[in-house]
Amino acid sequence: NAGVTQTPKFRVLKTGQSMTLLCAQDMNHEYMYWYRQDPGMGLRLIHYSVGEGTTAKGEVPDGYNVSRLKKQNFLLGLESAAPSQTSVYFCAGGESYNSPLHFGNGTRLTVT
Amino acid sequence: KQEVTQIPAALSVPEGENLVLNCSFTDSAIYNLQWFRQDPGKGLTSLLLIQSSQREQTSGRLNASLDKSSGRSTLYIAASQPGDSATYLCAVSLGFNKFYFGSGTKLNVKP
Repeated sequence: NAGVTQTPKFRVLKTGQSMTLLCAQDMNHEYMYWYRQDPGMGLRLIHYSVGEGTTAKGEVPDGYNVSRLKKQNFLLGLESAAPSQTSVYFCAGGESYNSPLHFGNGTRLTVT
Repeated sequence: KQEVTQIPAALSVPEGENLVLNCSFTDSAIYNLQWFRQDPGKGLTSLLLIQSSQREQTSGRLNASLDKSSGRSTLYIAASQPGDSATYLCAVSLGFNKFYFGSGTKLNVKP
């Protein structure tokens, strides 16, 4: 049982480049989330989805876009990377808002 | 806005000791509270989830309690082991898009 899988694990981008982070889950999660984790800032919600075809903004959505065309996958895109987006990105999923959150192992992104 | 605080930020104990980690939150209108473990370079692993109507949950050597009225939760770890060394985070849920995380307590259990 793979759970929540994130790819890639590491990435280095130059300012202005774009990339997509993939989150795949095989746990039948309706709810999926993208967080970023920064020292001293804790975990902050970027975007989330409450089901296939739905997405919504979280606490820090600027500079990011998301898509959830299939229930199993939740993609996070950076159209024009900035150094302020250097962070560790986590995907998480849950069956409902009242069930345990399951996290992927994260993507460490560095923007130079 | 919900504020979640975890004290202490770091804790070092000898193996075998029982210990308590603290989590406090400002808004008592929560759906649930979760305790997570995070190992270096890894994601968060859910340890225990306490629904707002519950007072405690247990799993093995872990026991988590919840006092909504006072805005507090504790995670009790019995007979600590070096393998318990990790960062422990708590998070409260105010809805499907409102999870608030603490900054964590970094635990080091010395052999």
